Amino acid sequence: NAGVTQTPKFRILKIGQSMTLQCTQDMNHNYMYWYRQDPGMGLKLIYYSVGAGITDKGEVPNGYNVSRSTTEDFPLRLELAAPSQTSVYFCASSYGQFNEQFFGPGTRLTVL
Amino acid sequence: QQQVKQSPQSLIVQKGGISIINCAYENTAFDYFPWYQQFPGKGPALLIAIRPDVSEKKEGRFTISFNKSAKQFSLHIMDSQPGDSATYFCAASIANTGTASKLTFGTGTRLQVTL
Repeated sequence: NAGVTQTPKFRILKIGQSMTLQCTQDMNHNYMYWYRQDPGMGLKLIYYSVGAGITDKGEVPNGYNVSRSTTEDFPLRLELAAPSQTSVYFCASSYGQFNEQFFGPGTRLTVL
Repeated sequence: QQQVKQSPQSLIVQKGGISIINCAYENTAFDYFPWYQQFPGKGPALLIAIRPDVSEKKEGRFTISFNKSAKQFSLHIMDSQPGDSATYFCAASIANTGTASKLTFGTGTRLQVTL
């Protein structure tokens, strides 16, 4: 049982490039989330999903897209990377809406 | 708009002492208040959580105190140990919306426990 796994661990992008951050969970959780963490700012919710095929915007969705084709996977897509997207990105999952959110180890992204 | 304010930003406590971290919220609809612990290079992990129907919850050395009228809640770490050195985040959400529990996080407190 690996929990929530994220790839890659680190990535450097040039302005305007695109990439997909991968997130997989093996706990059969219905709910999945993407957060970004900036120094001194806590974590901000980007997108979330309540099940396969269902996604919705969080607090800071601009510049990102998500999809949820399976229960296990919840990739986050950056289409046109900007320096403001330099951050640490965390994926999380939970069994239900009231349950503990389990976080992955994070992806540190730098946009230059 | 910061809906959950956390203080202090950093805290140094001697081994065996009590660490206290405070949070205040604005949205009276919040009804789930978890605390997360994060070690460097790791994702946050749930430490303890409380619902507003109780004023205190204790798990081992960790206690949440909740004051609904003041819209404040705090984390107390008794007998603080060097292994408790980490960043602590308070959070809040509305748990009964029929959709995902969208957590609003505080800005974090970096705790250092010295020998």
